[in-house]
Amino acid sequence: EDQVTQSPEALRLQEGESSSLNCSYTVSGLRGLFWYRQDPGKGPEFLFTLYSAGEEKEKERLKATLTKKESFLHITAPKPEDSATYLCAVQGRQDSGAGSYQLTFGKGTKLSVIP
Amino acid sequence: IAGITQAPTSQILAAGRRMTLRCTQDMRHNAMYWYRQDLGLGLRLIHYSNTAGTTGKGEVPDGYSVSRANTDDFPLTLASAVPSQTSVYFCASSVLRSSLNEQFFGPGTRLTVL
Repeated sequence: EDQVTQSPEALRLQEGESSSLNCSYTVSGLRGLFWYRQDPGKGPEFLFTLYSAGEEKEKERLKATLTKKESFLHITAPKPEDSATYLCAVQGRQDSGAGSYQLTFGKGTKLSVIP
Repeated sequence: IAGITQAPTSQILAAGRRMTLRCTQDMRHNAMYWYRQDLGLGLRLIHYSNTAGTTGKGEVPDGYSVSRANTDDFPLTLASAVPSQTSVYFCASSVLRSSLNEQFFGPGTRLTVL
């Protein structure tokens, strides 16, 4: 069974204070690791897909990296508008068939950036 | 419309009543999903459909049913609502391209069962 653990559960940063969010995973053969951003009262918004260890993706102040056991979402010089819950999900190499595309989500990290 | 729409935005429902949550996408994605999101439990898959005419059970399917008559619509029905079905429900869709499943989510329906 695929498992995803995100840490910390909550993180408060001062504006401009860089940090990283962690996503540890256990999966039987990783097909893809996904990062989402979720604002209060809204649906998750897709950010990145990472396919293999060593891969990195960037978008504005966010950079996602991937190893064989975990992924990090690095936030450089965050601004208050970066405040949100960040979700990580994995897609593993499940048995072929109708259920083989399902994602397993972590519980998220709630990021608050204080002006 | 662009993307995924869900209706209603929110609903308060008496226990025992039947309720259908609607989901429509205009991206021509072949796969669609229903999740519930509860505090402390994260997103959990209820049902999915990899293509029109087929459906499958996710992690928490009991008490819910779905149908996929066409590509765009994927309604979720609670036949007889119970208080434990109080949650926020998200519909999602994806193109199952090269077996990789990047999912895009709707705005959600907040359901309260009393």
